[in-house]
Amino acid sequence: NAGVTQTPKFQVLKTGQSMTLQCAQDMNHEYMSWYRQDPGMGLRLIHYSVGAGITDQGEVPNGYNVSRSTTEDFPLRLLSAAPSQTSVYFCASSYSSRGGQPQHFGDGTRLSIL
Amino acid sequence: GEDVEQSLFLSVREGDSSVINCTYTDSSSTYLYWYKQEPGAGLQLLTYIFSNMDMKQDQRLTVLLNKKDKHLSLRIADTQTGDSAIYFCAEKENNNAGNMLTFGGGTRLMVKP
Repeated sequence: NAGVTQTPKFQVLKTGQSMTLQCAQDMNHEYMSWYRQDPGMGLRLIHYSVGAGITDQGEVPNGYNVSRSTTEDFPLRLLSAAPSQTSVYFCASSYSSRGGQPQHFGDGTRLSIL
Repeated sequence: GEDVEQSLFLSVREGDSSVINCTYTDSSSTYLYWYKQEPGAGLQLLTYIFSNMDMKQDQRLTVLLNKKDKHLSLRIADTQTGDSAIYFCAEKENNNAGNMLTFGGGTRLMVKP
């Protein structure tokens, strides 16, 4: 059981480039989400999905797109990278969005925008 | 909006107890979580507590919840050097359909030998 797998682990982009951060889980979890972590600010929710075909915006969605075509995968797309998007990105999943189902996190993608 | 606050830093000696504190503002919080993050790694769920409980114990970890004061604490007994990490508390609101967690800024625990 791999849990939540994120790729790549590190990435450097130039301003204006686009890229996709991959996230996959093998636990048949219904709920998946993307957070960004900035120094001293904890984690902030970007987008989330309560099931295949359903996505919604979190606290800081601007500049990011997501899709959920399968239960397993939840990619995060940066449309036109900006230096303000330099951050560590975490994908998380849980069995359901109801109750207190704890979220399981991947190891993160460290992204630098020059 | 919701706010979750933690002190930035805590230093203890190996073998002592550590107490990491967290305050939150949302009175409708239903679940409160503690996560541990080691350098270069993701967040590891340590424990969580439902808001109708006031204490939960799991081996060396004790969580205390004072719902009236909106105060949550994590006590680590017999702290070891391997406990050095950043600890995040997080809360989930009662009316949160999206399972969104609101995180504190994290407390860096340093354990001295």
